[in-house]
Amino acid sequence: EVQLLESGGGLVQPGESLRLSCAASGFTFSTYAMSWVRQAPGKGLEWVSVISANSGATFYADSVKGRFSISRDNSKNTLHLQMDSLRSEDTAVYYCARKTGGTQDYWGQGTLVTVSS
Amino acid sequence: DIQMTQSPSSLSASVGDRVTITCRASQGISNYLAWFQQKPGKAPKSLIYAASSLQSGVPSKFSGSGSGTDFTLTISGLQPEDFATYYCQQYNSYPRTFGQGTRLEIK
Repeated sequence: EVQLLESGGGLVQPGESLRLSCAASGFTFSTYAMSWVRQAPGKGLEWVSVISANSGATFYADSVKGRFSISRDNSKNTLHLQMDSLRSEDTAVYYCARKTGGTQDYWGQGTLVTVSS
Repeated sequence: DIQMTQSPSSLSASVGDRVTITCRASQGISNYLAWFQQKPGKAPKSLIYAASSLQSGVPSKFSGSGSGTDFTLTISGLQPEDFATYYCQQYNSYPRTFGQGTRLEIK
């Protein structure tokens, strides 16, 4: 069974940093690209970033480019999202998702990031 | 960026009804379109990819169609568990973009 478990969310002040992690199991992690998608409270889904299976390619939404960095450790079946210079508009539930055929098939349950002073 | 526009934004229907949700892309995306279902407080669930292919385990009451810029998601024989918010997403190019969502409510 595919399982994705996010962690690392919490309350931070504007300008601070946070690192999210996503532990994957139930599939061969090293052969799949992985994505982050977020959802602000009461709002719709917003795609954030993607990383290829071998970390050779990454893409970001314009709203996070230059502030967020996606990475992965295939030896530990773990995906990361380093978030720097956080803003109030980054407040959201962050989901990691497995990428198959261009889109996301399996999703984690999400971790809440709140940016507030 | 490709803009995705869903209609309607909300929809009321009764158990047993058949409903259709529309998604329009601001430019052609071939069939690189996915549909997701999300219930309150839960993660999205993948329903359809490549505009009309059902994800494994998704019942055949869900169907998708379209190509280019216009797409539809149809749900037949609505059951209480189908009342949720539905999102389309294009994966023709980066950044991936979602529609704003369609909230399906019980009448």
